[in-house]
Amino acid sequence: DVKVTQSSRYLVKRTGEKVFLECVQDMDHENMFWYRQDPGLGLRLIYFSYDVKMKEKGDIPEGYSVSREKKERFSLILESASTNQTSMYLCASSPETSGSVETQYFGPGTRLLVL
Amino acid sequence: QQQVKQSPQSLIVQKGGISIINCAYENTAFDYFPWYQQFPGKGPALLIAIRPDVSEKKEGRFTISFNKSAKQFSLHIMDSQPGDSATYFCAATFVRDKIIFGKGTRLHILP
Repeated sequence: DVKVTQSSRYLVKRTGEKVFLECVQDMDHENMFWYRQDPGLGLRLIYFSYDVKMKEKGDIPEGYSVSREKKERFSLILESASTNQTSMYLCASSPETSGSVETQYFGPGTRLLVL
Repeated sequence: QQQVKQSPQSLIVQKGGISIINCAYENTAFDYFPWYQQFPGKGPALLIAIRPDVSEKKEGRFTISFNKSAKQFSLHIMDSQPGDSATYFCAATFVRDKIIFGKGTRLHILP
């Protein structure tokens, strides 16, 4: 079974803090994604990566950065947390498919509260 | 053009009834339409998916109906059970692994 794990289920941070959200997948997937989920807004793509050291902006990258130093690990960084970044953050991974689409496998999510 | 519009936002159905969630899209380049199911405290998981060359796909109690000319697709859950209570996301994709999600439907099945 594919397993995507996220470092924390719940996180409370203060405005201005630097926040690291870690995601690890154990199926050697090439592609990894970070989404945020908000009520009424669904899932919005923040950043994604097709390979180590590669990153691409999603639909809402402002205020976030990412790091992918190893294939299995994809980190989301909030450089200076703000209250409007309070949300559920979901990591996902999928295998390389040479242009076609494959299922994305999601982690359980990190619920972040910024005070 | 890259949006997927999903309705309703929330749905309450009696046990044993049929749950229907609708989605519409604009971009005719979309070529894969998955549905994801999310239980509270969990990440979304693929439930069922369809490509536009077929009009219907059935897996157990779950059926996707696809209308290419109307650019609409829907999820039908037959004999709905309390265990089906979850949030459902329709989605569409045409670019390498980038999925466009609908805003979700919170389904509650009354026991």
